[in-house]
Amino acid sequence: SQELEQSPQSLIVQEGKNLTINCTSSKTLYGLYWYKQKYGEGLIFLMMLQKGGEEKSHEKITAKLDEKKQQSSLHITASQPSHAGIYLCGADISSGGSNYKLTFGKGTLLTVNP
Amino acid sequence: DAGVTQSPTHLIKTRGQQVTLRCSPKSGHDTVSWYQQALGQGPQFIFQYYEEEERQRGNFPDRFSGHQFPNYSSELNVNALWLGDSALYLCASSAGNDQPQHFGDGTRLSIL
Repeated sequence: SQELEQSPQSLIVQEGKNLTINCTSSKTLYGLYWYKQKYGEGLIFLMMLQKGGEEKSHEKITAKLDEKKQQSSLHITASQPSHAGIYLCGADISSGGSNYKLTFGKGTLLTVNP
Repeated sequence: DAGVTQSPTHLIKTRGQQVTLRCSPKSGHDTVSWYQQALGQGPQFIFQYYEEEERQRGNFPDRFSGHQFPNYSSELNVNALWLGDSALYLCASSAGNDQPQHFGDGTRLSIL
């Protein structure tokens, strides 16, 4: 089974709607990273969460880390077509917090209809 | 301030051949990691280089090897290519263990 599970796998929303993407780990999270990827391109760093209960925001995107549940959520408020893409969570779950090796989920494909 | 740059952007090879991919890290970054991303999947960690040495390795065969140069740039070499090596190869750099990894746009490798 996947060490990092993302849900949903895909999401279609109307412009202006809010949405949430979840990332759940089967192992202890030492650091959780959110990235955005356009199809076939590189990953764009969004946010890094390192402590349980930590919450960070950038523009209309907010990410939270629930260390006890080994879970993180990414919330987009008032979505825009520019938010469309693949959202990937990556985590250090095997390097003991060294950030040497990131394990990624399969990604969530977000489509925002105008 | 240039980000992570990778070359080439696309590459087509045939089975059995060898390939070398190149990566220049973001300015100020000294650590380089390589990932393989198959279609529809998340990136899979290949290995990480720091101070010109392989610091950690993922679950990839010895056909995958790398190198880091004194200027922190890095190469990924893959020998005896087979169809399953077709993927997007991503390079990421970082400035320390507590800093996020920043990714390049990748090299799309196709094996015929």
